[in-house]
Amino acid sequence: KQEVTQIPAALSVPEGENLVLNCSFTDSAIYNLQWFRQDPGKGLTSLLLIQSSQREQTSGRLNASLDKSSGRSTLYIAASQPGDSATYLCAVYSGGSNYKLTFGKGTLLTVNP
Amino acid sequence: KAGVTQTPRYLIKTRGQQVTLSCSPISGHRSVSWYQQTPGQGLQFLFEYFSETQRNKGNFPGRFSGRQFSNSRSEMNVSTLELGDSALYLCASSPRSGVAGELFFGEGSRLTVL
Repeated sequence: KQEVTQIPAALSVPEGENLVLNCSFTDSAIYNLQWFRQDPGKGLTSLLLIQSSQREQTSGRLNASLDKSSGRSTLYIAASQPGDSATYLCAVYSGGSNYKLTFGKGTLLTVNP
Repeated sequence: KAGVTQTPRYLIKTRGQQVTLSCSPISGHRSVSWYQQTPGQGLQFLFEYFSETQRNKGNFPGRFSGRQFSNSRSEMNVSTLELGDSALYLCASSPRSGVAGELFFGEGSRLTVL
């Protein structure tokens, strides 16, 4: 059974700081990994999708890496801004023909002005 | 391009009742999947529909069901509501079925069961 863990559960940083969010998964036989952002009371916004054959993806100030063999992914946020404050979730597709998307519990990020 | 639309956004029901939630995907998207989000369990996969067929199902009891219409709109139904069904129900649409497509989520339907 796939399990996804995100560390830390919460993180508070001053504006302008570079930061790293971590995601680990127990079954390395994944199809892809996706990072999402969720604002309070809202749905999820897709940030980056990394296919299993890829090592990283970049979008603006965000960079996500994937090390499938070790079961790890990191989301790097450069020059953080107060508007980056949200919960960040990672999710992996796995399970063969009975595939499903398994989510971590998320990291609550607060960027202080 | 309009995003994923979920209705209703908020609803309150009592134990034993049933509820139907609706999801309209992004135009052109044929895959709709549903998720339950609770503080204790986090986000859990319910089921996925593609071209009116259920493609996959999570580990939820039979009280949870869904369907998809020819215009790709989807509904999910929960019968005989329990207190533990209180949650944010999210749907996501994708241009492709299964693992290949990027997911686009709606704002969710928040269900409270009293």
